[in-house]
Amino acid sequence: DADVTQTPRNRITKTGKRIMLECSQTKGHDRMYWYRQDPGLGLRLIYYSFDVKDINKGEISDGYSVSRQAQAKFSLSLESAIPNQTALYFCATSETRGDEQYFGPGTRLTVT
Amino acid sequence: QKEVEQDPGPLSVPEGAIVSLNCTYSNSAFQYFMWYRQYSRKGPELLMYTYSSGNKEDGRFTAQVDKSSKYISLFIRDSQPSDSATYLCAITGGFKTIFGAGTRLFVKA
Repeated sequence: DADVTQTPRNRITKTGKRIMLECSQTKGHDRMYWYRQDPGLGLRLIYYSFDVKDINKGEISDGYSVSRQAQAKFSLSLESAIPNQTALYFCATSETRGDEQYFGPGTRLTVT
Repeated sequence: QKEVEQDPGPLSVPEGAIVSLNCTYSNSAFQYFMWYRQYSRKGPELLMYTYSSGNKEDGRFTAQVDKSSKYISLFIRDSQPSDSATYLCAITGGFKTIFGAGTRLFVKA
């Protein structure tokens, strides 16, 4: 079984809808991240969490919110989706004292 | 100026060729350097990790760091079709990791 899972894997939604992307991990890592990936722009950090009580904004947090429900679960919400949020979204984890990040398989989100 | 610059390619080479992938970065505070490989429809996976200037070798892969020039490279020897993927450089320091845009590599059989 995969160590970092994301649901759904693909989602098409309409402008203005609220949508939640979920991430679960079995690696026992405290640190979790949400990124979006766009062609030519690479991975950009949306939010990160170093433990259950710690949530931090990343480079591009506007229009997004997150919830860290447990050490193993980190959800990303788009309160009112807009077309320029169409992208590939990745969840990642890392150890407290490590630099390597372990990525989930990604969620392809399309906002029409 | 982006903190990490990476040519997005695509780069197409014949099987067996030596591949050179490169990134430049602007902030000398970053001390650790990584290369991730991302296959189509998958998440990135760590390929190489180094923290000092010089070369680090792992099989057909060599990571090279030149801190004085703020330049990092990944060399792939005897490239194989299975190396076809997107390669992302990443630099990290403290709590921050910055990824390059990724270079798409195609190795033709």
